[in-house]
Amino acid sequence: AQRVTQPEKLLSVFKGAPVELKCNYSYSGSPELFWYVQYSRQRLQLLLRHISRESIKGFTADLNKGETSFHLKKPFAQEEDSAMYYCALSGQTSGSRLTFGEGTQLTVNP
Amino acid sequence: NAGVTQTPKFRVLKTGQSMTLLCAQDMNHEYMYWYRQDPGMGLRLIHYSVGEGTTAKGEVPDGYNVSRLKKQNFLLGLESAAPSQTSVYFCASSSPVRDTEAFFGQGTRLTVV
Repeated sequence: AQRVTQPEKLLSVFKGAPVELKCNYSYSGSPELFWYVQYSRQRLQLLLRHISRESIKGFTADLNKGETSFHLKKPFAQEEDSAMYYCALSGQTSGSRLTFGEGTQLTVNP
Repeated sequence: NAGVTQTPKFRVLKTGQSMTLLCAQDMNHEYMYWYRQDPGMGLRLIHYSVGEGTTAKGEVPDGYNVSRLKKQNFLLGLESAAPSQTSVYFCASSSPVRDTEAFFGQGTRLTVV
């Protein structure tokens, strides 16, 4: 079975502060990890995936297989980063089918 | 390029009524999915399809049925709506590749009273 946990439902930071959204997963094989974002009144969209090892909108995420984590980080948060963030996993036998975490609502205050 | 389109965007049903949600994608994707989004629970997979004419159960399939008669369309049906089915429903599509991006519709907000 595969499971994704995001321990923080709500996260509030001030503009310019660092932000870290936590994601832990449970999966016995080799997972593919993703972060999806949903801005207010918009559809979910892919933010980044671990296989790409890229930085999108200043966000990065590193897969730590030892700690089974895929935390999302940004050194200087911006107000436009306020959104709902979902961590997601696809397993080796589930193709592109995703298991999502509970989501973290990030609010960046001015 | 429309991507993934869901119809309708909003709906209010009475308990026991039936309805069908339509999802259409124009990206020629093989895989399509229906999720429900509830506060504090994230997105949970209801049903999915890996190709035209095929469907499979996801995590929370009870009370829902689906059909994939055409590759571009994936229908979600509620035969007898219950208040517990009040939720926001998202359709998504993707290619079969594991690390590929899933594209989502704009969501359908359903209230069952």
